[in-house]
Amino acid sequence: DIQMTQSPSTLSASVGDRVTITCRANQSISSWLAWYQQKPGKAPKLLIYKASTLQSGVPSRFSGSGSGTEFTLTISSLQPDDFATYYCQQFNSYWTFGQGTKVAIK
Amino acid sequence: EVQLLESGGGLEQPGGSLRLSCAASGFTFSDYAMSWVRQAPGKGLEWVSTINNSGGSIYYADSVKGRFTISRDNSDNALYLQMNSLRVEDTAVYYCAKGDTATAMLTLFDFWGQGTLVTVSS
Repeated sequence: DIQMTQSPSTLSASVGDRVTITCRANQSISSWLAWYQQKPGKAPKLLIYKASTLQSGVPSRFSGSGSGTEFTLTISSLQPDDFATYYCQQFNSYWTFGQGTKVAIK
Repeated sequence: EVQLLESGGGLEQPGGSLRLSCAASGFTFSDYAMSWVRQAPGKGLEWVSTINNSGGSIYYADSVKGRFTISRDNSDNALYLQMNSLRVEDTAVYYCAKGDTATAMLTLFDFWGQGTLVTVSS
């Protein structure tokens, strides 16, 4: 089974900060990785797929990179609407989510 | 506009059964794989099951295999999850999610419903 590990679990940041979240797979998943944003009480929203492709309508301050086993999600300038929990997900072999990273207000 | 509306959640005793439904609109339902994903209270996301566009390919997480059955009715634009032998640990919000491909493998979840809460408790 493919396991996904995100770090950190929680991060505190201020509006305007550059934020980076890391996701690691325990075996190669090529670029079959997606990132989702979830706000409390809401459904997850797809942000990025195939490691670096921005979903339509997602602001360009979000970007993704990586391949193989190590991936990053970067928010170039954190906005008030970005405080949420972020999940990575591999879809190379079945589907597995990371444990999530909560981005909180500093 | 893609819309996914789940229903059928509620309180059930351990060992009982529930059937979840997901009504889809705003896209050609028969062209896409569909999935169920759950989230226990205060926890992360867990993939449950995926079905391809025709219903001919189906996958389950080990945690539900043999107890849950996914199905779809393309004439009714509906996705289902039959949940039998429910356990306390099945308590979660269950989300219906649209795939971005017809095939099940290598599909991702590009649109999600708002979820339906299933509570398993005596």
